[in-house]
Amino acid sequence: NAGVTQTPKFRILKIGQSMTLQCTQDMNHNYMYWYRQDPGMGLKLIYYSVGAGITDKGEVPNGYNVSRSTTEDFPLRLELAAPSQTSVYFCASSYLGDRGGYTFGSGTRLTVV
Amino acid sequence: QQQVKQSPQSLIVQKGGISIINCAYENTAFDYFPWYQQFPGKGPALLIAIRPDVSEKKEGRFTISFNKSAKQFSLHIMDSQPGDSATYFCAAPGGSSNTGKLIFGQGTTLQVKP
Repeated sequence: NAGVTQTPKFRILKIGQSMTLQCTQDMNHNYMYWYRQDPGMGLKLIYYSVGAGITDKGEVPNGYNVSRSTTEDFPLRLELAAPSQTSVYFCASSYLGDRGGYTFGSGTRLTVV
Repeated sequence: QQQVKQSPQSLIVQKGGISIINCAYENTAFDYFPWYQQFPGKGPALLIAIRPDVSEKKEGRFTISFNKSAKQFSLHIMDSQPGDSATYFCAAPGGSSNTGKLIFGQGTTLQVKP
């Protein structure tokens, strides 16, 4: 039981490039989330999904896109990377939704130069 | 935008001391307030959580105290140990219950000195 797996762990992008951050969970959780973590700012919600085929915006969705074609996978797409997207990205999943029992992945550290 | 305000931003405690971190939240229709612990290079992990039908919940050395009327809750770490050195986040529900969204505080970096 691997939990939530994120790839890659580290990535450097040039301004204007695009990439996809991968997230897979093997716990059959319906709820999945993408957060970004910046120093002193806590965790900000980018996008979330309550089940396959259903996604919605969080607090800071600009510059990102998501899809949820299966229960297991929830990739995050960055289009036209900007320095402001330099951050650590965490994917999380939850079975009980609002009870807050998130399982987080180990994160992807992204630098845009 | 709903906010959760967490303080202090950083905290230094001697081994054996008590660490206290406070959070204040805005209106939320749903009552579940978790604390997460994060070690460097790792994702946050659920530490302890409370539903405010009780004012306090204790798990080992960790206690959540909850004041619903003041919209505040706090984490107390008794007999703090160097292994407790980490970043701690409080969180509160955001949005409707079928989204399971959490709004996180800014985080508190705790250092426990031996």
